[in-house]
Amino acid sequence: KAGVTQTPRYLIKTRGQQVTLSCSPISGHRSVSWYQQTPGQGLQFLFEYFSETQRNKGNFPGRFSGRQFSNSRSEMNVSTLELGDSALYLCASSSDRGYTDTQYFGPGTRLTVL
Amino acid sequence: AQSVTQLGSHVSVSEGALVLLRCNYSSSVPPYLFWYVQYPNQGLQLLLKYTSAATLVKGINGFEAEFKKSETSFHLTKPSAHMSDAAEYFCAVSDDGGFKTIFGAGTRLFVKA
Repeated sequence: KAGVTQTPRYLIKTRGQQVTLSCSPISGHRSVSWYQQTPGQGLQFLFEYFSETQRNKGNFPGRFSGRQFSNSRSEMNVSTLELGDSALYLCASSSDRGYTDTQYFGPGTRLTVL
Repeated sequence: AQSVTQLGSHVSVSEGALVLLRCNYSSSVPPYLFWYVQYPNQGLQLLLKYTSAATLVKGINGFEAEFKKSETSFHLTKPSAHMSDAAEYFCAVSDDGGFKTIFGAGTRLFVKA
């Protein structure tokens, strides 16, 4: 089975721009979670989607949004970028997201905001 | 609410020595605990997970962890470190019903030749 794929792998934007990141889960997985990883804050949960529905979200401003499509692919969008949004954004998929389920992570998208 | 504390942001061991990475959790319900490893410029890879079936959990690459409820700990060990074990390790707890995983701050493992 192919793993979780994320595109693009690297991205450079300037303050005020917006960005869209994409995540394709493992085939058959219906749950997709997004995390932000920074040296200062570590891994922080952004949101989780299951069958196109957001089931939980972390403590991020409304500039961070996401969605999931019927084929389980997911996108996250960050509007009005700030310097502090520079981070590695990780996507993880699991079959259902029962809390014993293993999450499989993609390689991440490294976003740099200048 | 669940939380995870990893003791020591950096741990350095010699090749062949015991690896011990510490993790303590806080949970009001039986926890589901995980250890992940992250190599540079990569995503996270599951090493092992505890789901109450057995207190001693064996994972990949020779790692294992023991769940100790009395100590609220889930420390990760490996008898003999390899150079290839140098990476960052994350302990995590799964939020019960909240559909999210809470990660510790991570411990970077250095292995000296």
